Amino acid sequence: EPEVTQTPSHQVTQMGQEVILRCVPISNHLYFYWYRQILGQKVEFLVSFYNNEISEKSEIFDDQFSVERPDGSNFTLKIRSTKLEDSAMYFCASGGQQNTGELFFGEGSRLTVL
Amino acid sequence: AQTVTQSQPEMSVQEAETVTLSCTYDTSESDYYLFWYKQPPSRQMILVIRQEAYKQQNATENRFSVNFQKAAKSFSLKISDSQLGDAAMYFCAYVVGGATNKLIFGTGTLLAVQP
Repeated sequence: EPEVTQTPSHQVTQMGQEVILRCVPISNHLYFYWYRQILGQKVEFLVSFYNNEISEKSEIFDDQFSVERPDGSNFTLKIRSTKLEDSAMYFCASGGQQNTGELFFGEGSRLTVL
Repeated sequence: AQTVTQSQPEMSVQEAETVTLSCTYDTSESDYYLFWYKQPPSRQMILVIRQEAYKQQNATENRFSVNFQKAAKSFSLKISDSQLGDAAMYFCAYVVGGATNKLIFGTGTLLAVQP
């Protein structure tokens, strides 16, 4: 069964460092997303991506964040200069159809900023 | 504001028994979808069940069913004949129809299944 895969599963970084989280969505999906979950809090929407551009982003997704689909298979989330409050679990998701809400999630990448 | 509230941080059920997880939401939209997602330990979230707001009939998927009360903005999940594999974090989520899949999640309910 096809699935969304994410790497790394856990990354520890120093404050101010750049981090890239990688995702391989399901191959025939067209819509891609990043969500994050700070420990003990809700899963929050960060950004959606379609047709090689951001279709929607949340207030959390400020200039420190960027997304890219560099090669037609990977979908990356970059945090340019990490802050302590960026520590969270980051989930990638992909969807084949808009508005159905049936997203396929990866297992998540845990980011710890020291 | 669109919010999803799960008032039960943790629940426990005996194997083979039935458990109901609560969810309420707040929206001014008329066209939306509601979901329950399951996240087993160290595994990805998977969709359990989906309900379109325009449908009056409650959705059912095998042992999983919902009680959708639109006027009360309530969307509870019933798990019948609970199995050990049902142990997981369950998230209630909402998305506005006609928009991108910007899911709004509740805080989750951690379900333990006792043998």
